[in-house]
Amino acid sequence: ETGVTQTPRHLVMGMTNKKSLKCEQHLGHNAMYWYKQSAKKPLELMFVYSLEERVENNSVPSRFSPECPNSSHLFLHLHTLQPEDSALYLCASSQDHLVGYGYTFGSGTRLTVV
Amino acid sequence: KQEVTQIPAALSVPEGENLVLNCSFTDSAIYNLQWFRQDPGKGLTSLLLIQSSQREQTSGRLNASLDKSSGRSTLYIAASQPGDSATYLCAVRTRGTGNQFYFGTGTSLTVIP
Repeated sequence: ETGVTQTPRHLVMGMTNKKSLKCEQHLGHNAMYWYKQSAKKPLELMFVYSLEERVENNSVPSRFSPECPNSSHLFLHLHTLQPEDSALYLCASSQDHLVGYGYTFGSGTRLTVV
Repeated sequence: KQEVTQIPAALSVPEGENLVLNCSFTDSAIYNLQWFRQDPGKGLTSLLLIQSSQREQTSGRLNASLDKSSGRSTLYIAASQPGDSATYLCAVRTRGTGNQFYFGTGTSLTVIP
């Protein structure tokens, strides 16, 4: 375990389902991130939270809805997804979102949309 | 928009060989560049961080260089071992883009015993 825990590890969902991905860190970090990793594509930053406030939203479709109830937890709520949303979703945390190093990544949730 | 390219996409070498992984980027106005390792089904582990003012960084058998003017970085792995098998990702943090890292698609390395 890296210090950032993601659950579930694998998720298969239908296009009409609603599900949530969970990320948890107890590293004392103030910033948390969601990344999407699709096959043959670079990692894409989806959302950035700093001290529970969203500071970046990279033109992500509204079918992805993040939530950061406290500095240790980050959720990604999913609804009416498309097959092209199938990917590895990685959560990361860092001490400060303005500092470009010191990231700790979770192991990811492998999402398959059928 | 910054674009990061990694060549080759895949590499297979016998154990003990020295090898070089390449990363190129289009916008030289960067804060830093990082090399990450990703094992199958796992997250990313940071290997080396090079600030824009630095030319290289070393950690054990790994050495990363940075040439900002030409938009290139290399990761040199000495005396490769089967445990080095993984995907290696290059990421650049670019000035003027807020907090965004731009990642390459990675080089998948297999070290054959």
